[in-house]
Amino acid sequence: SAVISQKPSRDICQRGTSLTIQCQVDSQVTMMFWYRQQPGQSLTLIATANQGSEATYESGFVIDKFPISRPNLTFSTLTVSNMSPEDSSIYLCSVILDRAYEQYFGPGTRLTVT
Amino acid sequence: DQQVKQNSPSLSVQEGRISILNCDYTNSMFDYFLWYKKYPAEGPTFLISISSIKDKNEDGRFTVFLNKSAKHLSLHIVPSQPGDSAVYFCAASGRVSNFGNEKLTFGTGTRLTIIP
Repeated sequence: SAVISQKPSRDICQRGTSLTIQCQVDSQVTMMFWYRQQPGQSLTLIATANQGSEATYESGFVIDKFPISRPNLTFSTLTVSNMSPEDSSIYLCSVILDRAYEQYFGPGTRLTVT
Repeated sequence: DQQVKQNSPSLSVQEGRISILNCDYTNSMFDYFLWYKKYPAEGPTFLISISSIKDKNEDGRFTVFLNKSAKHLSLHIVPSQPGDSAVYFCAASGRVSNFGNEKLTFGTGTRLTIIP
C-alpha cells in the first residue's frame, strides 16, 4: 500500500470562500481520484486527477466549482470554490497502485461551511 | 439511482460470533467487488475483493461471497473481534464509467458494532 496524506485534516469556512485541499502520496501512482462523502451518505466520485492534463469530472461535478490540479505523479489538489453549507462534507483522495481496481484512500478532509 | 445497496445501516454482533454484512447491486456490468472498512476520522481501508469469475475469496477471518445470479455479495467475519467495530462499505467496479474500469461505486455503508 501507499502512505497518503491530506492537508488540512479539517476546516471551518465561511460561505462564499474557497478552500484548497492537498493530497500527497509517498510513491508515484498512475491514477488519483477525489471523492466526497456527505453526512450520512456514501462516497461519491468527484473526478479523476490526470497528471499533465485536465481532470475528468463525473456527472454533477464541474471544473468551475471543483478545480483540480495534478502537477506530478505524487501530488494533487482539489479546490472547493464559492462554498455553501451544502459543500460540508468529507473530501477524500485515493490512488491506484499496481492493481487495477484496489484503491487506497487518504485520511480525508472534514469541511464545514457556515 | 443507487446501483450498490447496503440495506442494513447497522449490525450488532457478539464477540466471537460471525458477522455477516450484505450488499446488493443492480448493474450487471459490474465485474469486480471490494469491501472497505472505515473508522471515524480516517479514510476507508481496503479489506478484501472478489472478481466476478469467482464466487468466494478468503483472507484470514474475512470471506467474501458473490452470487452473480442474485446480484448479491456478502462479507463474513469470523470470529468477530472488538476491533472490527467500524463502518463497512461495499464497492463495485466495471465497464460503467466514461474513462475506464477504475471507477468505484460505493454502497451507503453498514455500521458494525462488536459487543464484548
